[in-house]
Amino acid sequence: GDSVTQMEGPVTLSEEAFLTINCTYTATGYPSLFWYVQYPGEGLQLLLKATKADDKGSNKGFEATYRKETTSFHLEKGSVQVSDSAVYFCALLGGGSYIPTFGRGTSLIVHP
Amino acid sequence: SQTIHQWPATLVQPVGSPLSLECTVEGTSNPNLYWYRQAAGRGLQLLFYSVGIGQISSEVPQNLSASRPQDRQFILSSKKLLLSDSGFYLCAWLPQGAWGYTFGSGTRLTVV
Repeated sequence: GDSVTQMEGPVTLSEEAFLTINCTYTATGYPSLFWYVQYPGEGLQLLLKATKADDKGSNKGFEATYRKETTSFHLEKGSVQVSDSAVYFCALLGGGSYIPTFGRGTSLIVHP
Repeated sequence: SQTIHQWPATLVQPVGSPLSLECTVEGTSNPNLYWYRQAAGRGLQLLFYSVGIGQISSEVPQNLSASRPQDRQFILSSKKLLLSDSGFYLCAWLPQGAWGYTFGSGTRLTVV
C-alpha cells in the first residue's frame, strides 16, 4: 500500500537558518503530494501541494518539488523564523483515492 | 465560502462518561468527511470516514463510533470513555475534486 516516510524530529535550527525536511513516498500510479503544517494547539493547514512530476509547490517562503525519479517531496525554506516552529506533515493522495496517507510528522523548533 | 467547524475546543471527561464531538461544514454539499486522532507526540490516525449520509467506514476498531445524520454533519461518539481515548481529535473535509484536506481546529480531549 501507499506510505510516506519523513525524517525523524525534532529539527532544531537558529533563526535565518536553511531548512530541509525530507519526505519520501511509496505509491502506485501518480499521486498528488502535500505538506501540511500544524501550529501548537491547532488543526492542520495545507501549506503547499504538487500534483504531477517536476511541479514545485510554494507558499510562505516554503518550497517542495515533486521528484518522481527519487520518489521524494522534500520541504525547504531559505531562512526560517521563530514563527515557523510547528509540526510538518508530508502526505500523498493516490489517484482515484479519497483517503490521504500521512507521514508521522516532523517537529521544527526555531530558536531566536 | 466553504468552512469547517469543530467543537468543543477542549474537553475534560471522567472515565466511563459518554462523548459527543461535532463537526459541520458549510458552503458545500456531499463532502467526504473524516475523523482523525493525534496522540501526544505521534502522527495522525484515521478513525472514521464518510462519503455520504449514513455511510461510515471504520479504520480502527476501538471504543468509538461515528455517525453522519446530515450531509454536512459528522459526529464522533463514545458510550464509555477510556483513559486511552485521550488525545487531539481532528475533523477533516475533502471537497469533491479538491487536492487537499481542510481540517477543523481540533478538540483536545483529556480523560481523567
